[in-house]
Amino acid sequence: AQSVTQLGSHVSVSEGALVLLRCNYSSSVPPYLFWYVQYPNQGLQLLLKYTSAATLVKGINGFEAEFKKSETSFHLTKPSAHMSDAAEYFCAVIPNSGYSTLTFGKGTMLLVSP
Amino acid sequence: NAGVMQNPRHLVRRRGQEARLRCSPMKGHSHVYWYRQLPEEGLKFMVYLQKENIIDESGMPKERFSAEFPKEGPSILRIQQVVRGDSAAYFCASSPSGAAGANVLTFGAGSRLTVL
Repeated sequence: AQSVTQLGSHVSVSEGALVLLRCNYSSSVPPYLFWYVQYPNQGLQLLLKYTSAATLVKGINGFEAEFKKSETSFHLTKPSAHMSDAAEYFCAVIPNSGYSTLTFGKGTMLLVSP
Repeated sequence: NAGVMQNPRHLVRRRGQEARLRCSPMKGHSHVYWYRQLPEEGLKFMVYLQKENIIDESGMPKERFSAEFPKEGPSILRIQQVVRGDSAAYFCASSPSGAAGANVLTFGAGSRLTVL
C-alpha cells in the first residue's frame, strides 16, 4: 500500500520568503514521487519528479525537492516566493515497479502576500 | 500539439439526470485515467483505460458510474441518475504507456460537475 501525507492544508508566506511544503510518504516498495501544481480552475501541471536518480530534484519555476529515505520525506522548497506561486500543490507517489496507480495527497494551498 | 482535452469544462445537472464527460488524450497517448477531486480532498483515482479495455476500475463507485475508451473517439465517463454528492471536478489524464514507474501523467483542465 502507498500513501502520502501533506502537512498543512494551507501555508502562508510573504513575497520573497522561503517556501516549504511538506510531504511524507508511506510505501511498501521504493517509490517514485511527484509534485504537481494546480492553478485556479485549471488542471494539474507537473513541477518535478523523483525517479531514484539524484535525491535533489530541480523542477520548473525555481522549485526543488529532496528525497530523504531516512525521513520518508519529499518536501518542496523555493528560496523566494512570487505572487504567481499562489496555487494548490499536490504530492503524489507510485511504486517504482509493478502495476499501480498514482496516489495523491490532499494538497496544500500556498498563499503569497505582498 | 494539444494537451489533454476535456469537455465540457462546466456541467450543471439536476438530480436524476445523466452526466457525460469527455476526454481526448494527448496525441500519441493510448492510456487514459480518470480522477475525481472533491472539496478539501486530493485527487482520487477512479479508472484506468486503454483503447477498448478497462484495465483498472478499482476506484469506480459500484453503481451509476461507467467509463469507456472506444477504438475511435474520446474516452467518456458516464454518471447516471446523478446525486448532489457527485458534484466534483473530474480530471482526465493520459500517458504514452502503462501506469507504472516514472511515466508522467498529463492532466486535462477538468470538468466541473454541479448537481442541483
